[in-house]
Amino acid sequence: AQTVTQSQPEMSVQEAETVTLSCTYDTSESNYYLFWYKQPPSRQMILVIRQEAYKQQNATENRFSVNFQKAAKSFSLKISDSQLGDTAMYFCAFMKHRLNTDKLIFGTGTRLQVFP
Amino acid sequence: GAVVSQHPSWVICKSGTSVKIECRSLDFQATTMFWYRQFPKQSLMLMATSNEGSKATYEQGVEKDKFLINHASLTLSTLTVTSAHPEDSSFYICSALNGEAYNEQFFGPGTRLTVL
Repeated sequence: AQTVTQSQPEMSVQEAETVTLSCTYDTSESNYYLFWYKQPPSRQMILVIRQEAYKQQNATENRFSVNFQKAAKSFSLKISDSQLGDTAMYFCAFMKHRLNTDKLIFGTGTRLQVFP
Repeated sequence: GAVVSQHPSWVICKSGTSVKIECRSLDFQATTMFWYRQFPKQSLMLMATSNEGSKATYEQGVEKDKFLINHASLTLSTLTVTSAHPEDSSFYICSALNGEAYNEQFFGPGTRLTVL
């Protein structure tokens, strides 16, 4: 069975600084997807970034980038130039790579607070 | 981007009554939708996978007779909490799988259920 672990329950960062959120996972699959989702106080889940396991290049989306280490089964999220609007819960998630459908397996989340 | 709506956004009901929550994909067809439950300050817990035209697949420990799921069309799935009790109070989130978008899951805004 797949598991996703986020070892940092809470993190804080000052506005404009950089912060890294950790995520590790366990799987015997060779091909899969990894995601970071953001859940602000509104509780709307928002996809931040996704990584396909077969791609060696780390995904980036503007101020958000990942450090994907497949051998170590590590998938950290780096937020650069943090903004007050980044304050939210961040969930790391895993999904098997299939043609049709599969479920997301979420980590326990990291609550990020951005201070002015 | 793909939009998923949920209705109602919040509901208060008396113990013993049933409550129906709707999940709609507004601008894409979703053969698969997922229903999650989220307790305060916790992660999303998958309850069931809803496939259009077939029976839902429930996760272990989720009572299928308690949480009835119907996915009668490619844009609508419903979750009915039958004979609700205070312990069913929670935040319920649906997501819809967009096969046209790399099987990405798009989340609804959630429904807060309070059972008195």
